[in-house]
Amino acid sequence: DSGVTQTPKHLITATGQRVTLRCSPRSGDLSVYWYQQSLDQGLQFLIQYYNGEERAKGNILERFSAQQFPDLHSELNLSSLELGDSALYFCASSVGHGYTFGSGTRLTVV
Amino acid sequence: GEDVEQSLFLSVREGDSSVINCTYTDSSSTYLYWYKQEPGAGLQLLTYIFSNMDMKQDQRLTVLLNKKDKHLSLRIADTQTGDSAIYFCAEGGGSQGNLIFGKGTKLSVKP
Repeated sequence: DSGVTQTPKHLITATGQRVTLRCSPRSGDLSVYWYQQSLDQGLQFLIQYYNGEERAKGNILERFSAQQFPDLHSELNLSSLELGDSALYFCASSVGHGYTFGSGTRLTVV
Repeated sequence: GEDVEQSLFLSVREGDSSVINCTYTDSSSTYLYWYKQEPGAGLQLLTYIFSNMDMKQDQRLTVLLNKKDKHLSLRIADTQTGDSAIYFCAEGGGSQGNLIFGKGTKLSVKP
């Protein structure tokens, strides 16, 4: 157990729907990062939050949004889902350099 | 922009050494990392090297960094079947602040 908890582990939903992925960082870690892993694109950085504030943005689509709450857990919201959004979504947390990853949420859009 | 390149596949025999190579572009990266991903699992930090170091050894793992050529390698000595996984190189602490990952090298270990 890495200490980073992601729920749910698996999600199957239809095109056009909206889902929310949840991440609880390791105790004491202030930064949360979201990554998307697909077969053809590898690991793509989506967004980073630090202590509730957005710190950096990567290749995140406008249909996607995230937030970090006062208890430091984070949610990634994916809307108007398309088949191409099917992927593994990872959350990672850090307190300094180097990340600790959760085990991911596998999203399948049908 | 920043980019990290790795070969996609490597196959070795059990007991041999494995060498996984990586090139990166961001010369301002402070740390370079190797992560391991086993099937169905998240990424696990294996080791990292600070950018002012040339080499770091940690049990069966040896990391070599050639900063001039922006080349990083991971050597696994006495490779075991349990080492079969995808290995990701990542650079961090540079201009973007977040980690940039390569696409991963799938290591297959044959008995």
